[in-house]
Amino acid sequence: ILNVEQSPQSLHVQEGDSTNFTCSFPSSNFYALHWYRWETAKSPEALFVMTLNGDEKKKGRISATLNTKEGYSYLYIKGSQPEDSATYLCAPSSAGNMLTFGGGTRLMVKP
Amino acid sequence: EAGVAQSPRYKIIEKRQSVAFWCNPISGHATLYWYQQILGQGPKLLIQFQNNGVVDDSQLPKDRFSAERLKGVDSTLKIQPAKLEDSAVYLCASSGGTGGRTEAFFGQGTRLTVV
Repeated sequence: ILNVEQSPQSLHVQEGDSTNFTCSFPSSNFYALHWYRWETAKSPEALFVMTLNGDEKKKGRISATLNTKEGYSYLYIKGSQPEDSATYLCAPSSAGNMLTFGGGTRLMVKP
Repeated sequence: EAGVAQSPRYKIIEKRQSVAFWCNPISGHATLYWYQQILGQGPKLLIQFQNNGVVDDSQLPKDRFSAERLKGVDSTLKIQPAKLEDSAVYLCASSGGTGGRTEAFFGQGTRLTVV
């Protein structure tokens, strides 16, 4: 079972602030890293699947970077909006498709 | 394309009772997962199926939990008997790829409360 840590556990920001969170995972035998957003009362939704060291992916105001050698990924949100309030989960995956989730970062954006 | 369907959405039972959850994955998806998410924690994998075979069930408490995926499509997860600590959201997900670089699609989950 992989040890996946996410920080911070929770975060309160004002609308318009930019923010970022961290996902740490074992760097050995890395295969891929997934980021998900989980809004209350909805299904977790995939944001990114990242595979290459140095990879950077972007979707609107959300972007992510990946460092497989040191075992971390950052998720950035530029100009946070109330609709960005959610729990953000990261999960490294094995070649066998097994996802191991971290504890998540709960983001609350105040209008 | 229809998403992953789960039922029921909510369930309240007394401890020592039995409960079953149902999942219908996205059509054609070979991989199906059941996760348990306890409040304040990340989802924990209970069992992973590839078609109707079990890939990993190392974290499934087999003395009380069971899961099956008949004909490699729908799946059921059962708890018998339930304990207070089983109160959680049970998420089902499916994936169309066989490698770990394919995103998984999740259902809305079943929120179980054991009283």
